[in-house]
Amino acid sequence: AQSVTQPDIHITVSEGASLELRCNYSYGATPYLFWYVQSPGQGLQLLLKYFSGDTLVQGIKGFEAEFKRSQSSFNLRKPSVHWSDAAEYFCAVAGTGGGNKLTFGTGTQLKVEL
Amino acid sequence: NAGVTQTPKFHILKIGQSMTLQCTQDMNHNYMYWYRQDPGMGLKLIYYSVGAGITDKGEVPNGYNVSRSTTEDFPLRLELAAPSQTSVYFCASTWDSSGNTIYFGEGSWLTVV
Repeated sequence: AQSVTQPDIHITVSEGASLELRCNYSYGATPYLFWYVQSPGQGLQLLLKYFSGDTLVQGIKGFEAEFKRSQSSFNLRKPSVHWSDAAEYFCAVAGTGGGNKLTFGTGTQLKVEL
Repeated sequence: NAGVTQTPKFHILKIGQSMTLQCTQDMNHNYMYWYRQDPGMGLKLIYYSVGAGITDKGEVPNGYNVSRSTTEDFPLRLELAAPSQTSVYFCASTWDSSGNTIYFGEGSWLTVV
Protein backbone atom coordinates (compact mmCIF):
# COMPACT_ATOMS: atom_id res chain seq x y z
CA ALA A 1 0.00 0.00 0.00
CA GLN A 2 1.17 3.50 -0.72
CA SER A 3 2.00 5.89 2.12
CA VAL A 4 3.41 9.35 2.68
CA THR A 5 5.42 10.69 5.60
CA GLN A 6 5.85 14.35 6.38
CA PRO A 7 8.23 14.34 9.34
CA ASP A 8 7.81 17.99 10.27
CA ILE A 9 4.48 18.88 11.88
CA HIS A 10 5.33 22.56 12.34
CA ILE A 11 7.98 24.76 10.74
CA THR A 12 8.66 28.42 11.43
CA VAL A 13 10.75 30.54 9.09
CA SER A 14 11.46 34.24 8.82
CA GLU A 15 10.10 36.14 5.86
CA GLY A 16 12.69 36.17 3.10
CA ALA A 17 14.38 33.00 4.31
CA SER A 18 14.50 29.82 2.26
CA LEU A 19 12.14 26.94 2.91
CA GLU A 20 12.30 23.19 2.52
CA LEU A 21 9.43 20.90 3.49
CA ARG A 22 10.20 17.22 3.61
CA CYS A 23 8.15 14.42 2.11
CA ASN A 24 8.95 10.71 1.89
CA TYR A 25 6.74 8.24 0.10
CA SER A 26 6.33 4.52 -0.13
CA TYR A 27 5.11 2.99 -3.37
CA GLY A 28 6.16 -0.04 -5.36
CA ALA A 29 6.56 1.68 -8.71
CA THR A 30 7.07 5.21 -9.96
CA PRO A 31 4.31 7.21 -8.32
CA TYR A 32 2.50 10.38 -9.17
CA LEU A 33 3.48 12.93 -6.51
CA PHE A 34 1.74 16.11 -5.51
CA TRP A 35 2.07 19.05 -3.17
CA TYR A 36 -1.10 20.84 -2.06
CA VAL A 37 -1.49 23.94 0.09
CA GLN A 38 -4.40 24.67 2.38
CA SER A 39 -5.09 28.09 3.85
CA PRO A 40 -7.24 28.26 7.00
CA GLY A 41 -10.86 27.45 6.29
CA GLN A 42 -10.17 26.74 2.65
CA GLY A 43 -9.94 23.77 0.36
CA LEU A 44 -6.74 22.39 -1.10
CA GLN A 45 -4.90 24.05 -3.95
CA LEU A 46 -2.40 22.20 -6.10
CA LEU A 47 1.11 23.68 -5.99
CA LEU A 48 2.84 21.22 -8.30
CA LYS A 49 2.94 17.62 -9.42
CA TYR A 50 5.42 15.07 -10.69
CA PHE A 51 4.58 12.32 -13.16
CA SER A 52 7.78 11.54 -15.02
CA GLY A 53 10.69 13.18 -16.79
CA ASP A 54 12.61 16.06 -15.25
CA THR A 55 12.95 15.40 -11.55
CA LEU A 56 12.87 19.11 -10.67
CA VAL A 57 9.33 20.37 -10.94
CA GLN A 58 8.27 24.00 -10.93
CA GLY A 59 4.96 25.03 -9.47
CA ILE A 60 2.90 28.06 -8.70
CA LYS A 61 3.80 30.82 -6.25
CA GLY A 62 7.54 30.26 -6.76
CA PHE A 63 7.59 26.74 -5.32
CA GLU A 64 9.59 23.84 -6.69
CA ALA A 65 10.07 20.22 -5.70
CA GLU A 66 12.65 17.60 -6.50
CA PHE A 67 11.89 13.92 -6.96
CA LYS A 68 14.68 11.68 -5.68
CA ARG A 69 13.95 8.05 -6.37
CA SER A 70 16.95 6.77 -4.42
CA GLN A 71 15.69 8.54 -1.29
CA SER A 72 11.95 8.08 -1.97
CA SER A 73 11.60 11.79 -1.38
CA PHE A 74 9.76 14.70 -2.94
CA ASN A 75 10.79 17.76 -0.94
CA LEU A 76 9.19 21.14 -1.53
CA ARG A 77 11.38 24.25 -1.66
CA LYS A 78 11.07 27.98 -2.01
CA PRO A 79 14.07 30.32 -2.11
CA SER A 80 12.42 33.25 -0.34
CA VAL A 81 9.29 32.87 1.77
CA HIS A 82 6.57 35.52 1.89
CA TRP A 83 4.23 36.09 4.82
CA SER A 84 1.33 34.98 2.62
CA ASP A 85 2.90 31.51 2.36
CA ALA A 86 1.80 30.72 5.91
CA ALA A 87 -0.52 27.73 5.51
CA GLU A 88 -0.61 23.98 5.81
CA TYR A 89 1.16 21.95 3.17
CA PHE A 90 0.29 18.42 2.18
CA CYS A 91 2.33 15.96 0.18
CA ALA A 92 0.36 13.25 -1.58
CA VAL A 93 0.99 10.18 -3.70
CA ALA A 94 -1.28 8.53 -6.25
CA GLY A 95 -0.86 5.10 -7.72
CA THR A 96 -0.81 4.74 -11.47
CA GLY A 97 -4.07 2.87 -11.57
CA GLY A 98 -7.08 1.83 -9.54
CA GLY A 99 -9.00 5.07 -9.33
CA ASN A 100 -6.14 7.57 -9.05
CA LYS A 101 -6.67 7.70 -5.31
CA LEU A 102 -4.53 10.17 -3.39
CA THR A 103 -2.86 9.19 -0.15
CA PHE A 104 -1.93 12.22 1.90
CA GLY A 105 0.71 12.90 4.47
CA THR A 106 -0.31 14.40 7.79
CA GLY A 107 0.71 17.88 6.69
CA THR A 108 3.24 20.51 7.73
CA GLN A 109 2.03 23.75 9.26
CA LEU A 110 4.17 26.66 8.09
CA LYS A 111 4.42 29.80 10.17
CA VAL A 112 6.19 32.87 8.76
CA GLU A 113 7.72 35.39 11.14
CA LEU A 114 7.88 38.97 9.97
CA ASN B 1 -16.17 28.64 -13.11
CA ALA B 2 -17.85 26.86 -10.22
CA GLY B 3 -15.54 23.81 -10.13
CA VAL B 4 -16.41 21.52 -7.22
CA THR B 5 -19.25 22.80 -5.06
CA GLN B 6 -20.12 21.39 -1.65
CA THR B 7 -23.14 22.08 0.53
CA PRO B 8 -23.66 22.75 3.34
CA LYS B 9 -20.50 24.52 4.42
CA PHE B 10 -21.30 24.16 8.12
CA HIS B 11 -23.71 21.86 9.91
CA ILE B 12 -24.40 20.62 13.41
CA LEU B 13 -25.96 17.19 13.68
CA LYS B 14 -27.27 15.35 16.69
CA ILE B 15 -26.11 11.84 17.52
CA GLY B 16 -28.20 9.28 15.67
CA GLN B 17 -29.46 11.69 13.03
CA SER B 18 -28.75 11.26 9.35
CA MET B 19 -27.82 13.76 6.71
CA THR B 20 -26.45 14.10 3.20
CA LEU B 21 -23.50 16.21 2.14
CA GLN B 22 -23.96 17.37 -1.40
CA CYS B 23 -21.20 17.59 -3.99
CA THR B 24 -21.48 18.67 -7.60
CA GLN B 25 -18.88 19.43 -10.25
CA ASP B 26 -19.30 21.17 -13.56
CA MET B 27 -16.09 20.00 -15.24
CA ASN B 28 -17.50 16.74 -16.64
CA HIS B 29 -15.01 14.78 -14.55
CA ASN B 30 -15.39 11.03 -14.41
CA TYR B 31 -13.68 10.48 -11.07
CA MET B 32 -15.03 11.86 -7.82
CA TYR B 33 -13.93 11.41 -4.22
CA TRP B 34 -14.93 12.08 -0.64
CA TYR B 35 -12.23 12.71 1.95
CA ARG B 36 -12.42 13.58 5.61
CA GLN B 37 -9.82 15.67 7.38
CA ASP B 38 -9.17 15.36 11.09
CA PRO B 39 -6.63 17.54 12.92
CA GLY B 40 -3.10 16.21 12.56
CA MET B 41 -4.28 13.28 10.46
CA GLY B 42 -4.19 14.55 6.91
CA LEU B 43 -6.99 13.55 4.57
CA LYS B 44 -8.46 10.07 4.53
CA LEU B 45 -10.41 8.68 1.58
CA ILE B 46 -13.97 7.65 2.42
CA TYR B 47 -15.43 6.64 -0.94
CA TYR B 48 -14.70 7.24 -4.58
CA SER B 49 -16.37 6.82 -7.94
CA VAL B 50 -14.88 6.30 -11.38
CA GLY B 51 -18.09 7.07 -13.22
CA ALA B 52 -21.85 7.23 -12.97
CA GLY B 53 -23.22 4.11 -11.34
CA ILE B 54 -19.82 2.98 -10.03
CA THR B 55 -18.64 3.53 -6.47
CA ASP B 56 -16.05 1.90 -4.24
CA LYS B 57 -14.82 2.10 -0.68
CA GLY B 58 -11.79 4.02 0.39
CA GLU B 59 -9.79 3.80 3.56
CA VAL B 60 -12.50 4.84 6.07
CA PRO B 61 -15.98 3.98 4.65
CA ASN B 62 -17.74 2.80 7.82
CA GLY B 63 -20.76 4.92 8.72
CA TYR B 64 -21.08 6.43 5.25
CA ASN B 65 -22.81 5.69 1.99
CA VAL B 66 -22.57 7.21 -1.47
CA SER B 67 -24.33 7.10 -4.78
CA ARG B 68 -23.43 8.35 -8.26
CA SER B 69 -26.50 8.56 -10.42
CA THR B 70 -25.10 11.34 -12.62
CA THR B 71 -21.64 12.44 -13.70
CA GLU B 72 -22.05 15.76 -11.90
CA ASP B 73 -23.24 14.70 -8.45
CA PHE B 74 -21.69 12.56 -5.73
CA PRO B 75 -23.60 12.90 -2.44
CA LEU B 76 -22.26 11.47 0.82
CA ARG B 77 -24.80 10.07 3.24
CA LEU B 78 -24.14 9.83 6.97
CA GLU B 79 -26.39 7.32 8.68
CA LEU B 80 -26.81 7.30 12.47
CA ALA B 81 -24.28 10.06 13.06
CA ALA B 82 -21.68 9.55 15.78
CA PRO B 83 -19.29 12.03 17.45
CA SER B 84 -16.42 10.30 15.65
CA GLN B 85 -17.81 11.67 12.41
CA THR B 86 -17.13 15.24 13.50
CA SER B 87 -14.72 16.33 10.81
CA VAL B 88 -14.17 18.45 7.75
CA TYR B 89 -15.32 16.74 4.59
CA PHE B 90 -13.86 17.44 1.17
CA CYS B 91 -15.25 16.42 -2.16
CA ALA B 92 -12.86 16.24 -5.13
CA SER B 93 -12.90 15.34 -8.79
CA THR B 94 -10.62 14.66 -11.74
CA TRP B 95 -10.76 13.38 -15.32
CA ASP B 96 -9.35 9.89 -14.99
CA SER B 97 -6.61 7.80 -13.50
CA SER B 98 -3.72 9.31 -15.45
CA GLY B 99 -2.58 11.45 -12.56
CA ASN B 100 -4.49 14.49 -13.70
CA THR B 101 -4.94 17.29 -11.22
CA ILE B 102 -7.54 16.52 -8.59
CA TYR B 103 -9.71 19.54 -7.79
CA PHE B 104 -11.11 20.02 -4.30
CA GLY B 105 -14.20 21.71 -3.01
CA GLU B 106 -13.96 24.17 -0.15
CA GLY B 107 -15.04 21.70 2.49
CA SER B 108 -18.01 20.99 4.74
CA TRP B 109 -17.52 21.40 8.48
CA LEU B 110 -19.67 18.87 10.33
CA THR B 111 -20.09 18.65 14.09
CA VAL B 112 -21.95 15.76 15.69
CA VAL B 113 -23.17 16.49 19.23
